[in-house]
Amino acid sequence: DAGVIQSPRHEVTEMGQEVTLRCKPISGHNSLFWYRQTMMRGLELLIYFNNNVPIDDSGMPEDRFSAKMPNASFSTLKIQPSEPRDSAVYFCASSLSGMATDTQYFGPGTRLTVL
Amino acid sequence: AQTVTQSQPEMSVQEAETVTLSCTYDTSENNYYLFWYKQPPSRQMILVIRQEAYKQQNATENRFSVNFQKAAKSFSLKISDSQLGDTAMYFCALSNTGNQFYFGTGTSLTVIP
Repeated sequence: DAGVIQSPRHEVTEMGQEVTLRCKPISGHNSLFWYRQTMMRGLELLIYFNNNVPIDDSGMPEDRFSAKMPNASFSTLKIQPSEPRDSAVYFCASSLSGMATDTQYFGPGTRLTVL
Repeated sequence: AQTVTQSQPEMSVQEAETVTLSCTYDTSENNYYLFWYKQPPSRQMILVIRQEAYKQQNATENRFSVNFQKAAKSFSLKISDSQLGDTAMYFCALSNTGNQFYFGTGTSLTVIP
């Protein structure tokens, strides 16, 4: 398997623009996680899905952020409108069953820069 | 290429005992950072400890300490006096100077009363 795939790898945009990050989990995995990494705040869980259903989105910073998982092989994280403080590396991870003890496989991340 | 390997998917320890979680990594960079994150059942990520590669001294944070062996590319986490609240997934991570991050697959730690 190719592992968790994220696109784009790098994104540079201007404040106010819409940004869409994409993730393809490992085939057969039923849980998908979106994280944000900054040097100041460390790694934060934004939202996670089990069987395409959002389970906990309490980590989503504000209404400008939204995430969808229309099917088992694809998820998006959208920021609209984007702000400079959204600049970070965004990771997607997947696991087989979604149990708290399950191994998580991280994608390579998307580095977002908002000017 | 940068890689992080955690070879222990699951571990357990008796309350009040000491446990060591293993992490090895590979990088061609000379300057980088290493992290241990804790993810309890609540799923939120907590930074446990951080180590700069150029520092020889092992980082410590209360009951948490690391054994950083730069030549061996090893970065293990020692938890002393284990507590029930230490039960969680633990992720080892590497960050190079370009602010890219690479994560291991995690070690599930259970503290047994």
